[in-house]
Amino acid sequence: KNQVEQSPQSLIILEGKNCTLQCNYTVSPFSNLRWYKQDTGRGPVSLTIMTFSENTKSNGRYTATLDADTKQSSLHITASQLSDSASYICVVSPPGVTGGGNKLTFGTGTQLKVEL
Amino acid sequence: DVKVTQSSRYLVKRTGEKVFLECVQDMDHENMFWYRQDPGLGLRLIYFSYDVKMKEKGDIPEGYSVSREKKERFSLILESASTNQTSMYLCASSPGLSTGELFFGEGSRLTVL
Repeated sequence: KNQVEQSPQSLIILEGKNCTLQCNYTVSPFSNLRWYKQDTGRGPVSLTIMTFSENTKSNGRYTATLDADTKQSSLHITASQLSDSASYICVVSPPGVTGGGNKLTFGTGTQLKVEL
Repeated sequence: DVKVTQSSRYLVKRTGEKVFLECVQDMDHENMFWYRQDPGLGLRLIYFSYDVKMKEKGDIPEGYSVSREKKERFSLILESASTNQTSMYLCASSPGLSTGELFFGEGSRLTVL
């Protein structure tokens, strides 16, 4: 069964510090891996997408990396801000998902809290 | 801006009641989805639709039904709500040819007493 595992389950850091969230997956082959940010009480919003041939992708202070050989991805947040407090969800998409959504495998998320 | 609107943010219902959750998207997307989100379990797909009047079961369809009479609207129905359906329900949409990005609504938190 395809799985996506995220660690840590939760994390507390001080504002201004960096952090790294991990995502390990067993989906194979896969088309792309996406990180979503979900603020409390809101729907998830896509942060980054990487195809199997990409190693790194940045979106402002967010940098995602992908190692397709070890089936691992990480999301690095630089100079954290209070607004980064959210759940971060890793989602893997298999090939041929032209419609999107019904074959996705979701991680359970990492809950990040940034404190003063 | 892309927008998916869920009609109710918070609902409290009693066991056995019929519940309607409505979702409207303004992006002309072909695909629409209903997920439920529970702590420690992540998002689980209930039903999805690739076109008007079409529906497909997801991973956990039991106890739910859906309706898609118009392209922009996708409704989730709980015929007889039960306490184990207390959850956050998320609607999402995506275009017909997609890289898999989903556009989510704000969610509907349902409590069944």
